[in-house]
Amino acid sequence: QVQLQESGPGLVKPSETLSLTCSVSGGSISNADSYWSWIRQSPGKGLEWLAYIYYTGSTYSNPSLGSRATMSVDASKNQFSLKMTAVTAADTAVYYCAWETVTGALDSWGQGILVTVSS
Amino acid sequence: DIQMTQSPSAMPASVGDRVTITCRASQDISNSLAWFQQKPGKVPKRLISTASTLQSGVPSRFSGSGSGTEFTLTINGLQPEDFATYYCLQHKGFPYTFGLGTKLEIK
Repeated sequence: QVQLQESGPGLVKPSETLSLTCSVSGGSISNADSYWSWIRQSPGKGLEWLAYIYYTGSTYSNPSLGSRATMSVDASKNQFSLKMTAVTAADTAVYYCAWETVTGALDSWGQGILVTVSS
Repeated sequence: DIQMTQSPSAMPASVGDRVTITCRASQDISNSLAWFQQKPGKVPKRLISTASTLQSGVPSRFSGSGSGTEFTLTINGLQPEDFATYYCLQHKGFPYTFGLGTKLEIK
């Protein structure tokens, strides 16, 4: 079973860039049947799907993020990353990375990382 | 974007009850729908995929049905550990979208 672990700073200042990494174990990020996503949950709120990346580098970001989000894959480290620029307090949330197969949907999730945007 | 309208937003219920939660998609999503359970402070757990496929290890009291635009999650014989928030997710098209959630509360 694929396992995921998010890492990154827990505190980011407004207008700065949020950078998160998801480390994958139990499977290869280069598996052709695997897709990798980011989801977030603001405190006390529901779930918002943010973006996905395929090992080839193909990505899709939720239009709600505008052009602020960038995703990348580092196959040598079996990791993928999310960068989000110009953060505001509205970006304060628990950020999850997730894995899915071609037939599934968000099959497995990381434990989540709380990111607070505050000066 | 495909909008997912989930109802009710909250539901008081008792142990042993049969409960049904509904999600309606703004367009046909075939069977590209999953149900998740989330307990406070925990990671969402997928219960059902492709509208009606129960995940391994999920109790059989959970069931899902529907296709197209109307979907339901049913819990037959509510157990104490089932009081949680439930979300539907459509993965037919990007961006994936979740319902706003249904909080099952103890009556």
